[in-house]
Amino acid sequence: AQTVTQSQPEMSVQEAETVTLSCTYDTSESDYYLFWYKQPPSRQMILVIRQEAYKQQNATENRFSVNFQKAAKSFSLKISDSQLGDAAMYFCAYRSASLGETSGSRLTFGEGTQLTVNP
Amino acid sequence: DTGVSQDPRHKITKRGQNVTFRCDPISEHNRLYWYRQTLGQGPEFLTYFQNEAQLEKSRLLSDRFSAERPKGSFSTLEIQRTEQGDSAMYLCASSVPPNNSPLHFGNGTRLTVT
Repeated sequence: AQTVTQSQPEMSVQEAETVTLSCTYDTSESDYYLFWYKQPPSRQMILVIRQEAYKQQNATENRFSVNFQKAAKSFSLKISDSQLGDAAMYFCAYRSASLGETSGSRLTFGEGTQLTVNP
Repeated sequence: DTGVSQDPRHKITKRGQNVTFRCDPISEHNRLYWYRQTLGQGPEFLTYFQNEAQLEKSRLLSDRFSAERPKGSFSTLEIQRTEQGDSAMYLCASSVPPNNSPLHFGNGTRLTVT
């Protein structure tokens, strides 16, 4: 079974600064997808960024980028120019790329990192 | 696209009572998921539907839990004989294939068992 580990329960960053959230995962599969989700206090989970394991290039979405190290099974999220609205719980998640309809469709989440942005 | 809708937002019940939650996914999404989230933790997978078929169930889904998606549209999650340990946020999500498509989550139903 796949596992996802986020070793930083809490992180803080000054507004306009850069912060990196860590995530490691364990899998025996070679093809999979990785995601970062954000959960603000309103509780609705929102996709931040995703990465296909077969792609060597790191994904980027505006101020958000990832550092994907497949051999190390590491998938960190970098937030540049942090804003007050970035304050939330961030979850790293894994999903198999298996084509089977009954397997691999679930997302497996890490424990989360609570990000505080200080003005 | 009105997003994933869950009802109710909050439910307080006494131990031993039955509760039922409803989820309306995004209309064109054929995949539907239920997750449970306790405070300060990541969501834990409960079950997955493709159209009306329940294709995967977690070991977390004890015999007291049952989920349905009768017409492949909305879904219900029922908990019978609730226990205090069932207190959690129950999240519903929907998506389309393939597996790199994101899950779209609802706001959740917060269950408190007293």
